[in-house]
Amino acid sequence: ETGVTQSPTHLIKTRGQQVTLRCSSQSGHNTVSWYQQALGQGPQFIFQYYREEENGRGNFPPRFSGLQFPNYSSELNVNALELNDSALYLCASSSGLLNEKLFFGSGTQLSVL
Amino acid sequence: EDQVTQSPEALRLQEGESSSLNCSYTVSGLRGLFWYRQDPGKGPEFLFTLYSAGEEKEKERLKATLTKKESFLHITAPKPEDSATYLCAVQRNYGGATNKLIFGTGTLLAVQP
Repeated sequence: ETGVTQSPTHLIKTRGQQVTLRCSSQSGHNTVSWYQQALGQGPQFIFQYYREEENGRGNFPPRFSGLQFPNYSSELNVNALELNDSALYLCASSSGLLNEKLFFGSGTQLSVL
Repeated sequence: EDQVTQSPEALRLQEGESSSLNCSYTVSGLRGLFWYRQDPGKGPEFLFTLYSAGEEKEKERLKATLTKKESFLHITAPKPEDSATYLCAVQRNYGGATNKLIFGTGTLLAVQP
């Protein structure tokens, strides 16, 4: 059984650029959530995908968008990067919306200069 | 508004010195309270889920308890390898619409040999 994998592990971008982060969910999991974790803070919910549809969104602007593919892998896209987008971006998967246990990947560390 | 507060922010213990971490929460319709462990540069690792007041769960040197307003993570005779950030999160009962987690800011535990 493979766990949640994310790529890349580290990324450096400049303000105004766009970035795409990728996540492969754990085998058998059809639900993927994305979280942003700023330094010294707890993870904050960005949005969730279930069966390729977004079904929940946190307090993040529309320049944060995502996709889920038929194999349940997912992408997080961030446009017009700002300095305070610098954070660890975490992907978590679960086997459905009624399964409360989330399994997290190791994250992508994004630095915006 | 759902809220999770963890204390202390940081805790330094000597090896073998037992202590407790606190997580107080406010949530409408608690579905579950979660404890995760997070090592530097890594994603959160699941430890426990607690569902109702009075419930307790144990794993090695860790024991989690739950009341209607707070949860405690008791660490008995800690070892240096227990050093990590411990995150508490709550999940509201959304009726299956989403299983998002609301995290606290964590307690950074350092266990010195």
